[in-house]
Amino acid sequence: EAQVTQNPRYLITVTGKKLTVTCSQNMNHEYMSWYRQDPGLGLRQIYYSMNVEVTDKGDVPEGYKVSRKEKRNFPLILESPSPNQTSLYFCASSRRYNEQFFGPGTRLTVL
Amino acid sequence: DAKTTQPNSMESNEEEPVHLPCNHSTISGTDYIHWYRQLPSQGPEYVIHGLTSNVNNRMASLAIAEDRKSSTLILHRATLRDAAVYYCILRDTGNTPLVFGKGTRLSVIA
Repeated sequence: EAQVTQNPRYLITVTGKKLTVTCSQNMNHEYMSWYRQDPGLGLRQIYYSMNVEVTDKGDVPEGYKVSRKEKRNFPLILESPSPNQTSLYFCASSRRYNEQFFGPGTRLTVL
Repeated sequence: DAKTTQPNSMESNEEEPVHLPCNHSTISGTDYIHWYRQLPSQGPEYVIHGLTSNVNNRMASLAIAEDRKSSTLILHRATLRDAAVYYCILRDTGNTPLVFGKGTRLSVIA
């Protein structure tokens, strides 16, 4: 089944403890991206990647890192999480210019 | 970035058609009109997209005004499973990010 998977789906952590949210797609898509969704603010893009080893900042990249070493994986790294990064995170992938497929979301709480 | 304007919320009776409007008066010639929806507790889901001509797929129809300054997403027979937030998004021909606005929250009444 064609899909985008994210892990973990739920995470509660403490301020400053490094974490990684994984994202993987099995559709051989070139384009992948990360969004966060907050009440009243909608979905905002954090980072995106046009292909392997090519990443770029979205609208709200501060406090996040990404890497794209393989086509199928696009992990989101929070080196030192803070409470304002408490949010619902979505990973997405697509072929160039086509519709994006979204993962099921990761709900992160930073205490 | 070109912006879209949608009503905050709409309500429909089950099995009735639903017309979800979107205004995009500053659309450029290379902007495609995309629609996504987000069901409760799920990630966004692609619905349909078009450039100039009306489009149909298994989920919905997209009617685009001749001047392209507005469009309408048509759900032909709303079901309870169509209750979601619907987003109208402009995206040019490059692989640019999707910029989500507030969308329209559609409620479907049985």
